[in-house]
Amino acid sequence: EAAVTQSPRNKVTVTGGNVTLSCRQTNSHNYMYWYRQDTGHGLRLIHYSYGAGNLQIGDVPDGYKATRTTQEDFFLLLELASPSQTSLYFCASSEGFQNTLYFGAGTRLSVL
Amino acid sequence: AQSVDQPDAHVTLSEGASLELRCSYSYSAAPYLFWYVQYPGQSLQFLLKYITGDTVVKGTKGFEAEFRKSNSSFNLKKSPAHWSDSAKYFCALEGLGNYAQGLTFGLGTRVSVFP
Repeated sequence: EAAVTQSPRNKVTVTGGNVTLSCRQTNSHNYMYWYRQDTGHGLRLIHYSYGAGNLQIGDVPDGYKATRTTQEDFFLLLELASPSQTSLYFCASSEGFQNTLYFGAGTRLSVL
Repeated sequence: AQSVDQPDAHVTLSEGASLELRCSYSYSAAPYLFWYVQYPGQSLQFLLKYITGDTVVKGTKGFEAEFRKSNSSFNLKKSPAHWSDSAKYFCALEGLGNYAQGLTFGLGTRVSVFP
């Protein structure tokens, strides 16, 4: 069974704060993704990566940076958090095109 | 641009009834289509996918979906429904021209199955 682990599970920060969300997968997948889930918007892709050192821009990248340090680890960075970034964030991994995405449990972020 | 539409925000039915969730898509070429399920408080789990071949695909948990190119739909079905099927269901699309660029999701349909 594929394993994607996100941390922290919950995070509260203040406007202007600095937040890092972590994701680790042990599936040996090359592809990793960051999504946010909001009521009325479904899931939207923020950033994704094909492998260590690679970063691609998704559909809603503004205000987010990401870094893929190893095949296993993918980080999402909010350097100046805003209340509009209050959301449920999911990390996912896959073998690639046409393949199933395996999702982590999610990180609920609140920006006050 | 590609998009996925799930027109029903909430579906309610009785246990034992047939469940059908609608999904339509907009994409200029042959799409790859997926269904995922999200149980309350949990993450998303894969149900099934259509890549090519048979237009009726079977997935996990007794679900199946039919791809209809004629009306750009990929409806999810299960009969009979069980109370444990209460969850939110997402239809998603991956475009041939968007190699491994992630999935485009619909807004989801919340399903409530009453015993």
